[in-house]
Amino acid sequence: EPEVTQTPSHQVTQMGQEVILRCVPISNHLYFYWYRQILGQKVEFLVSFYNNEISEKSEIFDDQFSVERPDGSNFTLKIRSTKLEDSAMYFCASSGLGTADLSPLHFGNGTRLTVT
Amino acid sequence: GNSVTQMEGPVTLSEEAFLTINCTYTATGYPSLFWYVQYPGEGLQLLLKATKADDKGSNKGFEATYRKETTSFHLEKGSVQVSDSAVYFCALSLQGAQKLVFGQGTRLTINP
Repeated sequence: EPEVTQTPSHQVTQMGQEVILRCVPISNHLYFYWYRQILGQKVEFLVSFYNNEISEKSEIFDDQFSVERPDGSNFTLKIRSTKLEDSAMYFCASSGLGTADLSPLHFGNGTRLTVT
Repeated sequence: GNSVTQMEGPVTLSEEAFLTINCTYTATGYPSLFWYVQYPGEGLQLLLKATKADDKGSNKGFEATYRKETTSFHLEKGSVQVSDSAVYFCALSLQGAQKLVFGQGTRLTINP
């Protein structure tokens, strides 16, 4: 069964550094998402992306964050200047249709980001 | 606002025990409801869903019924197995929306 793949599985970075988290969504999917889970807290929506632009974003997704689909297969999340509170598990997801009730989201295994 | 509350974990049961994980929600409008499962080392996978009141979602022996009157979507299984050990997330989405709102997750451990 096709799956969403994320790299790296664990990223350690120093405060203030830029990080790029990478995802390869399922090939025929059109909608792409990033979620994050701070340790011990809920999984939170960050952003959704369709047709090469952001379709929805949360309050968390401020100017420090950006997403990009640089080619036909990758979907990236960039954090420009990391803060300690950005430490979390980041999940990429994709779906074939644009609404969660019609088309289940397929999630990757996550990238654990640790900011020191 | 929209939110999901799950019972506190962790939950530890013996094999073949009956499982209930409680989930209640608050939503503006009529949400669709979901249970996702995360096995160790893996991503979240959709376990089951229900899109309208009184619908029952089921998969792999798990069931959950969309109860509008109690705003609940409790997950149940009659006889759990060691392989059911995982973290279970209740979630909602509003009709026509892409975004999922998750509960905090409940870690389930089944002992042989």
